[in-house]
Amino acid sequence: EAGVVQSPRYKIIEKKQPVAFWCNPISGHNTLYWYLQNLGQGPELLIRYENEEAVDDSQLPKDRFSAERLKGVDSTLKIQPAELGDSAVYLCASSFNIQGYNEQFFGPGTRLTVL
Amino acid sequence: AQKVTQAQTEISVVEKEDVTLDCVYETRDTTYYLFWYKQPPSGELVFLIRRNSFDEQNEISGRYSWNFQKSTSSFNFTITASQVVDSAVYFCALFSKNAGNMLTFGGGTRLMVKP
Repeated sequence: EAGVVQSPRYKIIEKKQPVAFWCNPISGHNTLYWYLQNLGQGPELLIRYENEEAVDDSQLPKDRFSAERLKGVDSTLKIQPAELGDSAVYLCASSFNIQGYNEQFFGPGTRLTVL
Repeated sequence: AQKVTQAQTEISVVEKEDVTLDCVYETRDTTYYLFWYKQPPSGELVFLIRRNSFDEQNEISGRYSWNFQKSTSSFNFTITASQVVDSAVYFCALFSKNAGNMLTFGGGTRLMVKP
């Protein structure tokens, strides 16, 4: 079974440019998460989707970040415009949550460098 | 609010030594889950273990063992006879539904096992 797929793995852009990351969760997983991981720190949740609905986006900087999961499967996270401080790893995870809590499975991440 | 603290930012050992990674957590919930993840240089977070708050039994899996103590709010991870392949960043994480269905990570401990 394929794991969580993310692309691209690496992205280098200049500040003020837009950038987008794509995530395809494990087949059948209804919950999708986007995390931000700064260097030397643990991941922090940006947004969580239950199917196509964003149920927790309180940590998403909405002035420049946006996300979508239109059909409740894959998802795109966008930054426009990017700033130097956005350089980080962006992790996607998915889980199958019906009752209680189930493990989140993580993708390899997209390492963003903003110059 | 919930919090996870991994006081050891970096540990260096020689192969075959035992090593313990500390994790202390804070939560007001009585029902919660604790996790350990491994993040090798490739960047993907690999799930190691989940423990719920009602199960304080320690667990052993091969060279890995976990010591959960509610009295001290700790969930420590021991690697016995460490190997070079154990070199990675290890994250402890906490989940509780009343904290917004969020998985809260500690800052991670970088383990370096030298031959």
